[in-house]
Amino acid sequence: EPEVTQTPSHQVTQMGQEVILRCVPISNHLYFYWYRQILGQKVEFLVSFYNNEISEKSEIFDDQFSVERPDGSNFTLKIRSTKLEDSAMYFCASSFARGTGELFFGEGSRLTVL
Amino acid sequence: QQQVKQSPQSLIVQKGGISIINCAYENTAFDYFPWYQQFPGKGPALLIAIRPDVSEKKEGRFTISFNKSAKQFSLHIMDSQPGDSATYFCAASITPNTGNQFYFGTGTSLTVIP
Repeated sequence: EPEVTQTPSHQVTQMGQEVILRCVPISNHLYFYWYRQILGQKVEFLVSFYNNEISEKSEIFDDQFSVERPDGSNFTLKIRSTKLEDSAMYFCASSFARGTGELFFGEGSRLTVL
Repeated sequence: QQQVKQSPQSLIVQKGGISIINCAYENTAFDYFPWYQQFPGKGPALLIAIRPDVSEKKEGRFTISFNKSAKQFSLHIMDSQPGDSATYFCAASITPNTGNQFYFGTGTSLTVIP
């Protein structure tokens, strides 16, 4: 069964460092998302991406964040200068078509900022 | 403003019992209401979803009840099993849309006791 894959599974970084989280969405999917989940809290939307541009972003997705689809298969989230409060599980998700509603999530990348 | 409110935060049910998780939403434009199941260390996975043109949807032991006038929907797990122990998130979105954002509830940790 096709799945969304994410790397790394866990990353530890120092505050102020840049981090890149990588995702390979399901191959025929067209819409890509990043969500995050702070430990024990709800899943929060960060950004959605379609046709090589950002479709929608939340207030959390400030200038420190950026997304890119560099090679047609990978979908990356970059955090330019990490803060302690960026520590969370970051989930990549993808969906095939507009309006179907079914998001397929990866297993997540746990980011720990020290 | 919290778009989707979920309760209870945690739930303990005996094997064979009925688990009920409730959600309420604010935005009347929402037209798609999925429930996601998340096991520890895994990403959320779609369990069952409903649109507001029906009041109930059943898939196996899982049923969504939807009350449009009250802006509430709930997940019922019949004959709960230990394997159902997981965190459950309700969500809501507006479709169709390019990169539609999903608003998640805060999650319910379900424990089914053998």
